Amino acid sequence: DAGVIQSPRHEVTEMGQEVTLRCKPISGHDYLFWYRQTMMRGLELLIYFNNNVPIDDSGMPEDRFSAKMPNASFSTLKIQPSEPRDSAVYFCASSFVGEVDTQYFGPGTRLTVL
Amino acid sequence: RKEVEQDPGPFNVPEGATVAFNCTYSNSASQSFFWYRQDCRKEPKLLMSVYSSGNEDGRFTAQLNRASQYISLLIRDSKLSDSATYLCAVNGKHNAGNMLTFGGGTRLMVKP
Repeated sequence: DAGVIQSPRHEVTEMGQEVTLRCKPISGHDYLFWYRQTMMRGLELLIYFNNNVPIDDSGMPEDRFSAKMPNASFSTLKIQPSEPRDSAVYFCASSFVGEVDTQYFGPGTRLTVL
Repeated sequence: RKEVEQDPGPFNVPEGATVAFNCTYSNSASQSFFWYRQDCRKEPKLLMSVYSSGNEDGRFTAQLNRASQYISLLIRDSKLSDSATYLCAVNGKHNAGNMLTFGGGTRLMVKP
């Protein structure tokens, strides 16, 4: 089975540009999580969805960040406008209620904002 | 105080050594505990869950101490391939759903 798929794997953009990160969870999983990882702050949960509905977005740093999950097989995380401090690795992870303890992570998107 | 704290290390140990990491958590209502392994420039992967009675998987032993609010990971007979960052994870502040809060990770370097 394919794991969690993220695209792009690397993104380099200039400050002020819009960035869209994409995630395809494992088929059949009903939870989807977006994380950000930096050296300074570690791995932080930004937002998570259950059955395509956002449940907790308290980790989203500010209004420049938004996330959507239009269907069970696709989610986006958008940053508009991007800033250099948004540079990080963004991971998407998924899990399902039958295996509630295990989150499967995608390979991540390494974002650099110049 | 951070919700989940780990010594960042690095722990430098020779092959064959036994090494142990601790992870403390602040939410006494937490019910689920995990150890993840993260290789350099890769995603975290679940290493093992931590059960109340303690559990073992080959060379790896995980334990939970609820009274002192910490979990531990013991690695016996360290291999070069064990070099990685080990993240502990605790179900989150809202104790809701599958929300996990991760520690900052402990870096392990096993040397020949």
